[in-house]
Amino acid sequence: GENVEQHPSTLSVQEGDSAVIKCTYSDSASNYFPWYKQELGKRPQLIIDIRSNVGEKKDQRIAVTLNKTAKHFSLHITETQPEDSAVYFCAASLGGADGLTFGKGTHLIIQP
Amino acid sequence: DTGVSQDPRHKITKRGQNVTFRCDPISEHNRLYWYRQTLGQGPEFLTYFQNEAQLEKSRLLSDRFSAERPKGSFSTLEIQRTEQGDSAMYLCASSSQGRGERGNEQFFGPGTRLTVL
Repeated sequence: GENVEQHPSTLSVQEGDSAVIKCTYSDSASNYFPWYKQELGKRPQLIIDIRSNVGEKKDQRIAVTLNKTAKHFSLHITETQPEDSAVYFCAASLGGADGLTFGKGTHLIIQP
Repeated sequence: DTGVSQDPRHKITKRGQNVTFRCDPISEHNRLYWYRQTLGQGPEFLTYFQNEAQLEKSRLLSDRFSAERPKGSFSTLEIQRTEQGDSAMYLCASSSQGRGERGNEQFFGPGTRLTVL
């Protein structure tokens, strides 16, 4: 089955700086890659996703890149703000009717 | 609230008891997923329904776990003979079957936190 590795497990950045979280996946058939943000005690919240037919997608301060050849994808957050502090999860699936395989998460800490 | 809802939000039970959780998906979504999340980990996929059909159940953790979606709307997840290792957050998500940008986006409910004493 699919296996998703996520790094780093903890990331601390100064407010206003950029943050990058990286994930790799094992199943070359995977074609859907969402990112979720989870605050303490809250539900995972979909923040951005990318499908295998594109290499990059951007939504305001967040962007995701995908390299299908290398089987890795990354989340980029620019101009970080205190409210960006949370645990971020990457995930992969075959798309269509399939459950998501999640990474172990990255605890993002924004230092004032 | 038009999002995914789950009930109860918290459940404390004694080892050996049966528990049942309910999930109500977003009304126009025909796909429903169950996940389990333990502390410090990402959600772990358990099972999935398209309408009332359970299309994937091989990832259920043991035969003590079962799920239903009898009318293609709400779903229930039952755990029989609970064990302490079943203590976790049980999350439900739903998605539509549409193509294009909106298809297959999974939206999560708030979860049911199970504590087995």
